[in-house]
Amino acid sequence: SQQGEEDPQALSIQEGENATMNCSYKTSINNLQWYRQNSGRGLVHLILIRSNEREKHSGRLRVTLDTSKKSSSLLITASRAADTASYFCATDLDSNYQLIWGAGTKLIIKP
Amino acid sequence: DAGVIQSPRHEVTEMGQEVTLRCKPISGHDYLFWYRQTMMRGLELLIYFNNNVPIDDSGMPEDRFSAKMPNASFSTLKIQPSEPRDSAVYFCASSTSYEQYFGPGTRLTVT
Repeated sequence: SQQGEEDPQALSIQEGENATMNCSYKTSINNLQWYRQNSGRGLVHLILIRSNEREKHSGRLRVTLDTSKKSSSLLITASRAADTASYFCATDLDSNYQLIWGAGTKLIIKP
Repeated sequence: DAGVIQSPRHEVTEMGQEVTLRCKPISGHDYLFWYRQTMMRGLELLIYFNNNVPIDDSGMPEDRFSAKMPNASFSTLKIQPSEPRDSAVYFCASSTSYEQYFGPGTRLTVT
């Protein structure tokens, strides 16, 4: 089952611009994660934000979480060609660390 | 650590044949997840294990699919008999918490 829904489904921007992706979910969560998937590769964990946190930074990544709206956003600043990938949000389902995944946003950075 | 290892990376087989996918999780990780990814259905959880014990196999499509984890360092996903609609990329992931580490995947094509 998919709980998270990312939007947009696809995003194409110029190198150097900022990219913003959004994720909405349906049920209460303990935490929310963002992953990146380069073409033909497995998913790679980027960042985890807990339900009691509102914002988190990691390098050029900034994640926000609004539990009242059941939504999160991922901002990539000063985008690079290497950021071209699909980005997925995932929320926890239970204490067994099972995750529910969104459909992903495909990001293309044009040089 | 080499990360999660999957084999084979690519598998092409004919309908009706048995297919076995293999996964070696990261040493020390006590959770192992099998996923299937397609363009149409996105990332689907098939089954996951905790300490080698299957916890939830509700995502396994049908009886043609089976998974085992005989020890902490090895798991298999078997499809018998395979069908063209099984064509997908199959990922194995391992974890000790909410952050999951993915293998490179096995691209399965059933003709």
